[in-house]
Amino acid sequence: ETGVTQTPRHLVMGMTNKKSLKCEQHLGHNAMYWYKQSAKKPLELMFVYSLEERVENNSVPSRFSPECPNSSHLFLHLHTLQPEDSALYLCASSLTGGETEAFFGQGTRLTVV
Amino acid sequence: RKEVEQDPGPFNVPEGATVAFNCTYSNSASQSFFWYRQDCRKEPKLLMSVYSSGNEDGRFTAQLNRASQYISLLIRDSKLSDSATYLCVVPQGGGSYIPTFGRGTSLIVHP
Repeated sequence: ETGVTQTPRHLVMGMTNKKSLKCEQHLGHNAMYWYKQSAKKPLELMFVYSLEERVENNSVPSRFSPECPNSSHLFLHLHTLQPEDSALYLCASSLTGGETEAFFGQGTRLTVV
Repeated sequence: RKEVEQDPGPFNVPEGATVAFNCTYSNSASQSFFWYRQDCRKEPKLLMSVYSSGNEDGRFTAQLNRASQYISLLIRDSKLSDSATYLCVVPQGGGSYIPTFGRGTSLIVHP
């Protein structure tokens, strides 16, 4: 059973909508990540938060806006998305400062219509 | 050289076969390495960690070659249920772990 929970599991939104993805972990980790995985493409790192501070952005478009209010929660706010943003969005967490494995949530499958 | 590169797939093997995947990495400071398994439309799940020269878990063996900067994953006696994409993960190192994923290698085990 995963210690990282993502909601919603599925989301369909119009290009003018605003929605948020939520990620929650109870593993005592202090680093959290957002990844995007498009069909038949590799995982793309979007955002990294370490000790609640953003440490990497990876040139993601501003229509994606992350928020990390505490070490257990991570949000991805979405607005005016494009159809090509349809993908599986995965959240992960790990311990920072050490090279340990990351644990993933089950992902949110997003479809932009 | 890309940060993490993996064998191109797919690997299509019969049940019972032995199959090996390679993964090369560019960050010589990395100290730990991971293999993840990802089933279709699911999240990646940790398969094995490699902290020293290698690791073995049942039919799965991971080996690390620091001099040549590659890790390998060997699967013996393949099962149908081994069909999945196998992802090599190397942290960026330097004290701040950012999981860097390879593109993944697809394995198809057929009867």
